[in-house]
Amino acid sequence: KAGVTQTPRYLIKTRGQQVTLSCSPISGHRSVSWYQQTPGQGLQFLFEYFSETQRNKGNFPGRFSGRQFSNSRSEMNVSTLELGDSALYLCASSLSAGGQALTDTQYFGPGTRLTVL
Amino acid sequence: AQKITQTQPGMFVQEKEAVTLDCTYDTSDPSYGLFWYKQPSSGEMIFLIYQGSYDQQNATEGRYSLNFQKARKSANLVISASQLGDSAMYFCAMREYQDMGFGNEKLTFGTGTRLTIIP
Repeated sequence: KAGVTQTPRYLIKTRGQQVTLSCSPISGHRSVSWYQQTPGQGLQFLFEYFSETQRNKGNFPGRFSGRQFSNSRSEMNVSTLELGDSALYLCASSLSAGGQALTDTQYFGPGTRLTVL
Repeated sequence: AQKITQTQPGMFVQEKEAVTLDCTYDTSDPSYGLFWYKQPSSGEMIFLIYQGSYDQQNATEGRYSLNFQKARKSANLVISASQLGDSAMYFCAMREYQDMGFGNEKLTFGTGTRLTIIP
């Protein structure tokens, strides 16, 4: 089975621009989560999508948004980029087959490294 | 308060030695899951091992085992017979049942430990 894929792998933008990152989950996985990783703040949860619905959101400004499509692929968008948005953005997928599974493992993609100049 | 604490920012270990990476957690939820991930310099997070709060036995996966001490709220990762390829960042993460609501699967991560294996 192919793993989680993220595109693009690297991105350079300037302040004020917007950016869209894409994530394709493992085949059959229904949940997609996004995390931001920076040297200063570490790994922080952005949001999670399941069946095209956002079911949890982290403490990020409204400039960060996302969506999930019917094939479980997900995109996240950051508008009006700031220097502090420079980070590695990681996408993770999980089976989420039903119920509230504490054990459901999230499998991560290689990340998109965003640099804002 | 930090929910996940990893007190070792960096460790250097001789190849073939065993290594223990520390993780303590803070939760009042009786139901939770603990995960360990490895992040090589390439950036991808690789799942290593899982321990549930109600699991009676310590989890093991190949060379990885988890020293789970529930009363002390610690979940240390043990890597036996370390290899050069084990050099990476290691993260401990937790999922709490009370956070799950209608099934959300948010993980809370620690700050990580950078492990370097010396030949």
